[in-house]
Amino acid sequence: AQTVTQSQPEMSVQEAETVTLSCTYDTSENNYYLFWYKQPPSRQMILVIRQEAYKQQNATENRFSVNFQKAAKSFSLKISDSQLGDAAMYFCAFLYGGSQGNLIFGKGTKLSVKP
Amino acid sequence: DAGVIQSPRHEVTEMGQEVTLRCKPISGHNSLFWYRQTMMRGLELLIYFNNNVPIDDSGMPEDRFSAKMPNASFSTLKIQPSEPRDSAVYFCASRGQGNTGELFFGEGSRLTVL
Repeated sequence: AQTVTQSQPEMSVQEAETVTLSCTYDTSENNYYLFWYKQPPSRQMILVIRQEAYKQQNATENRFSVNFQKAAKSFSLKISDSQLGDAAMYFCAFLYGGSQGNLIFGKGTKLSVKP
Repeated sequence: DAGVIQSPRHEVTEMGQEVTLRCKPISGHNSLFWYRQTMMRGLELLIYFNNNVPIDDSGMPEDRFSAKMPNASFSTLKIQPSEPRDSAVYFCASRGQGNTGELFFGEGSRLTVL
């Protein structure tokens, strides 16, 4: 069975600093996709960043980057130059069964940003 | 594009009543997902459809829950009879046929069963 684990229920970062959110997963598949979604208080789920397992290069989107360690089944999210608007729940998600397959989520990490 | 549209945004009902949640996916998307979010259990996949066909409904809690997708532009999630433990936010999401795998979410329907 596929599982996604986020071991940090809550994290806090000072504005303009860097924070890393952890995610590990378990699967026997070789080709899959990983995502980080952000859920602000408005409740809307927003895609932050996406990584394909067959790509060795870590994905980057502006201030957001990932550290993808396939052998360790680890997929952490780094947020640089944190802003107040980054405060939200962050969910790690794992897509298996190909690009048309099933997406499962971790329990989430609540990120607070201190001014 | 209008995005995924869910209704109602909020629903308060009494135990034993029937609840119907609705979802309109993004036009052209061929996959549709229903998730339930609670503090205790996080985001749980209830069911997903590809091309209007249910592919995996193993997450549907019990027979009180049913989901339909009669056409590519509409889906319903029905709970009958509802119970207080069904209180949650229910999200619908859709996905296109491209190879990105990305899901696009609606704003969710918050259900409170008294």
